[in-house]
Amino acid sequence: DGGITQSPKYLFRKEGQNVTLSCEQNLNHDAMYWYRQDPGQGLRLIYYSQIVNDFQKGDIAEGYSVSREKKESFPLTVTSAQKNPTAFYLCASSTQTGLATETQYFGPGTRLLVL
Amino acid sequence: QKEVEQDPGPLSVPEGAIVSLNCTYSNSAFQYFMWYRQYSRKGPELLMYTYSSGNKEDGRFTAQVDKSSKYISLFIRDSQPSDSATYLCAMRTTGAGSYQLTFGKGTKLSVIP
Repeated sequence: DGGITQSPKYLFRKEGQNVTLSCEQNLNHDAMYWYRQDPGQGLRLIYYSQIVNDFQKGDIAEGYSVSREKKESFPLTVTSAQKNPTAFYLCASSTQTGLATETQYFGPGTRLLVL
Repeated sequence: QKEVEQDPGPLSVPEGAIVSLNCTYSNSAFQYFMWYRQYSRKGPELLMYTYSSGNKEDGRFTAQVDKSSKYISLFIRDSQPSDSATYLCAMRTTGAGSYQLTFGKGTKLSVIP
C-alpha cells in the first residue's frame, strides 16, 4: 500500500531534550512538508523540501530542524529551543508537476507532549 | 485580514440534513481549491479539489467556487454520523512556489443520529 507513515504516534519530551519525529513515504513524491497543528490554529508550515538535500523554512521554523538525505524520508527534530512543543505534528508529501490536480497527502500524525 | 477565513464552528446538525461549510479568501492569486476531512486525532484526508468557478459533485459532496466573490463552499447532502469531523479548506496559487497550501482553521462538524 502506498502512503505516508509517521512514528511514533505519541512522543513525550522532557525539558531540554531534543526529539526526532519520523516521516516516510513510498508514493515517490518529490516534495515533503512538516506542519504543526494546535487547537484553533489550523495547520502551520514548519519546513518543506522539494528535493533531496535541500529544504526551506516555513512560517514557524524556529526551534525545529530537518534533514532530507533520502527521497522517502523527511525527519523533524524538535530542539530544546522550541519552548512550546506540545502539538500535533503532521507530515505531508506531494508531486511537483504544477498540474491543477496536484495536492498534498498527509500522514497520520504524531502527538508530542511535554513532561 | 487573514488570507483564508473559515468559521470554526462547532456546527451540529441532525442526521440527513444538508450541511454547508464555507471559506473566504483575500488573495486573488489563489486558483486551486481543496477540501480535507480530518477525523479526531488523525491526519487530514483529501476530500475534493477544484480549480474552476462553479460546482463539482462527488457523491453526497459538492464543492462550489466563486472566484469573483473569493468564496468557496462544501455542501454535504444527506449527512451521516460518519461525516462528523473537522473540515479544512485549502488553496494554492499557480506559478513559483505554488505547491504550498494555505489552510483555513477548520470547521468542526457533528452529525447527530
